[in-house]
Amino acid sequence: AQKITQTQPGMFVQEKEAVTLDCTYDTSDQSYGLFWYKQPSSGEMIFLIYQGSYDEQNATEGRYSLNFQKARKSANLVISASQLGDSAMYFCAMRGPTYSSASKIIFGSGTRLSIRP
Amino acid sequence: DAGVIQSPRHEVTEMGQEVTLRCKPISGHDYLFWYRQTMMRGLELLIYFNNNVPIDDSGMPEDRFSAKMPNASFSTLKIQPSEPRDSAVYFCASSLMAGDWYEQYFGPGTRLTVT
Repeated sequence: AQKITQTQPGMFVQEKEAVTLDCTYDTSDQSYGLFWYKQPSSGEMIFLIYQGSYDEQNATEGRYSLNFQKARKSANLVISASQLGDSAMYFCAMRGPTYSSASKIIFGSGTRLSIRP
Repeated sequence: DAGVIQSPRHEVTEMGQEVTLRCKPISGHDYLFWYRQTMMRGLELLIYFNNNVPIDDSGMPEDRFSAKMPNASFSTLKIQPSEPRDSAVYFCASSLMAGDWYEQYFGPGTRLTVT
């Protein structure tokens, strides 16, 4: 069975500092994908970044990068130069192989990130 | 594109009443997902459809919950009868499977309160 673990319920970071949000996963599939979503206080879910299990390069999207360590089964999100608007709940998620009709995304419990001015 | 549209945005109802939540996915997307989010249980997948066909409803809590997708542009999640423990934010998401990965686009959610 697939499982996503986020061990940091909450984090406080000073504005402009870099921050790493931890995510570990467990799966027996060889092909899978890892996602990060942001949920601000307004409630919507915003897609941030994706990493495929066969991607050799770490994914990057602007200030977001995904530190993918396959052997350790970790997919940490790194936010560089944090901004006040980064304060939100962050969810790590995983999907199974796309060739499986039962492939679906499962979510971790989330990390609440608060940026201090 | 307008994104995923959900209605109503807020619903307050009394225990025992029927509740219907609606979702319009992004045009052209072939997957539709219904999620429930609570403080205690986090984000849970209730059911998802592919090309209007339910694929996995193992997350549906009990028979009081039902979901339909009569066509590619509309889905409903119905709770009958509603109970206070059903109070949550219900998200609809859609995606297009392309190549090796797909991204789910979430709607704004429906905040349901059952008193």
